[in-house]
Amino acid sequence: GAVVSQHPSRVICKSGTSVKIECRSLDFQATTMFWYRQFPKQSLMLMATSNEGSKATYEQGVEKDKFLINHASLTLSTLTVTSAHPEDSSFYICSARDGNRGRETQYFGPGTRLLVL
Amino acid sequence: AQKVTQAQTEISVVEKEDVTLDCVYETRDTTYYLFWYKQPPSGELVFLIRRNSFDEQNEISGRYSWNFQKSTSSFNFTITASQVVDSAVYFCALSDRYNQGGKLIFGQGTELSVKP
Repeated sequence: GAVVSQHPSRVICKSGTSVKIECRSLDFQATTMFWYRQFPKQSLMLMATSNEGSKATYEQGVEKDKFLINHASLTLSTLTVTSAHPEDSSFYICSARDGNRGRETQYFGPGTRLLVL
Repeated sequence: AQKVTQAQTEISVVEKEDVTLDCVYETRDTTYYLFWYKQPPSGELVFLIRRNSFDEQNEISGRYSWNFQKSTSSFNFTITASQVVDSAVYFCALSDRYNQGGKLIFGQGTELSVKP
């Protein structure tokens, strides 16, 4: 139980293109999902909190127009990196909170490695 | 302010040794949650444990054990008889009521290398 999937697992794209990453909770409903970015040898940095049916809350310093987040259903949130540049290359991880399993526990997806050439 | 400190950046042990990963936290809240996650080379974060601030009982799960000490604001993690498969980065994290929506504050992580 408490499985979170992400797609794609790895993406390579040219500079200037947009990339969409999907995060799904497979066996539970997630009213809240979180998007993190992790650079090599570093900790996870929270980018935004995504609530189903409402606008995402972005952390300070994260450009909302560059990192578009949509949480259209209780099992799906998407992150779109618009006009990606090489500095956006990173490991993007989503997590979902299952209110029925203990409200404060987040379960993480397997992550998406983005490489922008 | 909320903060999680994992002072050990890297630890290297030989298989079958016991190893303790330290975690010290700061929070103004009296109600908070502490977590440990494991991140193997594949990248996925694996949930290990969640502990709330009102439960100071130590917990043991197989070769894993956790020592929660509110007096020293620490939540240390011990692996007994370590194995090569334990090699990973381990993150300690904190969530409290000041972090709206249950945001996690992560430590910097400790990279554990278990050699055969």
